[in-house]
Amino acid sequence: ETGVTQTPRHLVMGMTNKKSLKCEQHLGHNAMYWYKQSAKKPLELMFVYSLEERVENNSVPSRFSPECPNSSHLFLHLHTLQPEDSALYLCASSQLLATDTQYFGPGTRLTVL
Amino acid sequence: GDSVTQMEGPVTLSEEAFLTINCTYTATGYPSLFWYVQYPGEGLQLLLKATKADDKGSNKGFEATYRKETTSFHLEKGSVQVSDSAVYFCALNLRPGNQFYFGTGTSLTVIP
Repeated sequence: ETGVTQTPRHLVMGMTNKKSLKCEQHLGHNAMYWYKQSAKKPLELMFVYSLEERVENNSVPSRFSPECPNSSHLFLHLHTLQPEDSALYLCASSQLLATDTQYFGPGTRLTVL
Repeated sequence: GDSVTQMEGPVTLSEEAFLTINCTYTATGYPSLFWYVQYPGEGLQLLLKATKADDKGSNKGFEATYRKETTSFHLEKGSVQVSDSAVYFCALNLRPGNQFYFGTGTSLTVIP
């Protein structure tokens, strides 16, 4: 039990669809993160939230839109994605933004047709 | 820029063999260093970490020593088991900002 859950675990969507990924952490942490994991590439940090405020946005296309309604939940809203966006999307949390240990969820495997 | 380079896989070993997965880093500051493990169908789990030079992180029989002089953090285990089959990621963390940099991952398969 990692304490970080993600839904759905698998998602297939067309380029014109709109969908959302959900992440929930049960660890009482105050910072949450979205990463993209593509084959043969390092994990890419996409977004960072601390106390529900976005503190990092690493030049991610606007077709990805994060939302953090409270410190336990993080969403990634998807619209008009491209096939190259197919990847494993990982959510992570840490106790504080400055805490150097992050705890990861199992990820959502996204396929864009 | 700041980055992590780890040996490419896949790596296949027989049970009870010795494991080394190389990791070197480039960083402008004084990072913390990590090894994460990802089992099939799961997210990344912290395996071990070291926060300053000469520190040794250890867990579940795995070890890694923070070598500032060689900018390395190689992962070792004396006797691997089938259950160690997974993908291993080396990572560094620079503060402020808690920016993590991950390597590309090394796939390990241990055969009976």
